[in-house]
Amino acid sequence: EPEVTQTPSHQVTQMGQEVILRCVPISNHLYFYWYRQILGQKVEFLVSFYNNEISEKSEIFDDQFSVERPDGSNFTLKIRSTKLEDSAMYFCASLDQDRGSYGYTFGSGTRLTVV
Amino acid sequence: RKEVEQDPGPFNVPEGATVAFNCTYSNSASQSFFWYRQDCRKEPKLLMSVYSSGNEDGRFTAQLNRASQYISLLIRDSKLSDSATYLCVRGSQGNLIFGKGTKLSVKP
Repeated sequence: EPEVTQTPSHQVTQMGQEVILRCVPISNHLYFYWYRQILGQKVEFLVSFYNNEISEKSEIFDDQFSVERPDGSNFTLKIRSTKLEDSAMYFCASLDQDRGSYGYTFGSGTRLTVV
Repeated sequence: RKEVEQDPGPFNVPEGATVAFNCTYSNSASQSFFWYRQDCRKEPKLLMSVYSSGNEDGRFTAQLNRASQYISLLIRDSKLSDSATYLCVRGSQGNLIFGKGTKLSVKP
């Protein structure tokens, strides 16, 4: 079964540093997403991406965050000047649009720890 | 305003028990609903979709009541492997809106 792959599985960074979280979506999917989950809290939508541009973003996704698909396969989330409260699990997902919301596949996540 | 609300639990039940989870949502225009399962520090995984007519998948039954804006999940004959957090999820224009989840612990 096709998978969404995320690297690294765990990233520790110093406050104020920049991090890049990487994702390889399923190859024939067209919609890509980032979600995050702070420990003990709910999974929250960050941003959706289609046709090489952001299609929707949440209030959380401010100027500190950016996404890109640099080479047609990887989908990255960059967090600039990390803060302690950015510590969370970050999940990438891709969507088989033919199945609408029923076609989500999540990656196994990157656990970001900001110290 | 919480869009999707769930009882956080935990629900501690013995093997073989029947357990029911409930969820309410606030957006009456919502079209699609799901139950996801999440194991500790893992990604959410789709358990089943939820339809007004109700749907059943083995030991799991999901029901949607649009008039009451209420969703339920029933697990029969619970197994140790059912221990997880169950997430009530609303689909909204391709994005997913998650509830905080209900934790289930099935004991021998």
